[in-house]
Amino acid sequence: GDSVTQMEGPVTLSEEAFLTINCTYTATGYPSLFWYVQYPGEGLQLLLKATKADDKGSNKGFEATYRKETTSFHLEKGSVQVSDSAVYFCALTTQTGANNLFFGTGTRLTVIP
Amino acid sequence: DGGITQSPKYLFRKEGQNVTLSCEQNLNHDAMYWYRQDPGQGLRLIYYSQIVNDFQKGDIAEGYSVSREKKESFPLTVTSAQKNPTAFYLCASSITQDEQYFGPGTRLTVT
Repeated sequence: GDSVTQMEGPVTLSEEAFLTINCTYTATGYPSLFWYVQYPGEGLQLLLKATKADDKGSNKGFEATYRKETTSFHLEKGSVQVSDSAVYFCALTTQTGANNLFFGTGTRLTVIP
Repeated sequence: DGGITQSPKYLFRKEGQNVTLSCEQNLNHDAMYWYRQDPGQGLRLIYYSQIVNDFQKGDIAEGYSVSREKKESFPLTVTSAQKNPTAFYLCASSITQDEQYFGPGTRLTVT
């Protein structure tokens, strides 16, 4: 079935460090891929998305490239800030009739000054 | 402003009581969803509805019920049959086949 495997956390980085959070997926068909972010006590916000192979999603300095050959969608940011501290979820939908999102388990990022 | 509202933010109930969580959206989205989030886990789908007066079970529907009488509203009832109801509940909606918009969540504690 469809699933997402996400890098285990928690991840702790110093401010201005480089961030990578790994995400790989298993899906039938041609999934759309997403990164959502959840700040403490809040719901999820869409951070970025990619709908086809080789697409690069980007937002707020974060980037992720849809790699069909490695079934991956790793999240990167060149220089993290304290305000980036949150839980990051990788997700996919296979665009079938149900439009269901399949989530990874989430990676908690803490950025220290 | 358009968005999704969930109320209340925190909810406390005694074991054996049914409780209904509210979800309202003014985005004119056809589809709505309920997810459950437990510590250290991803979100799991409880129920979803693609159109008014129709809804489908998700992966963990046992012990929950929903209704979709209006496009804007998709309330979730956590019944006494749900063995482990304490969790963070998230409602979402979508119009396209991909992006879902989430509400702020309701944290339910059952003692």
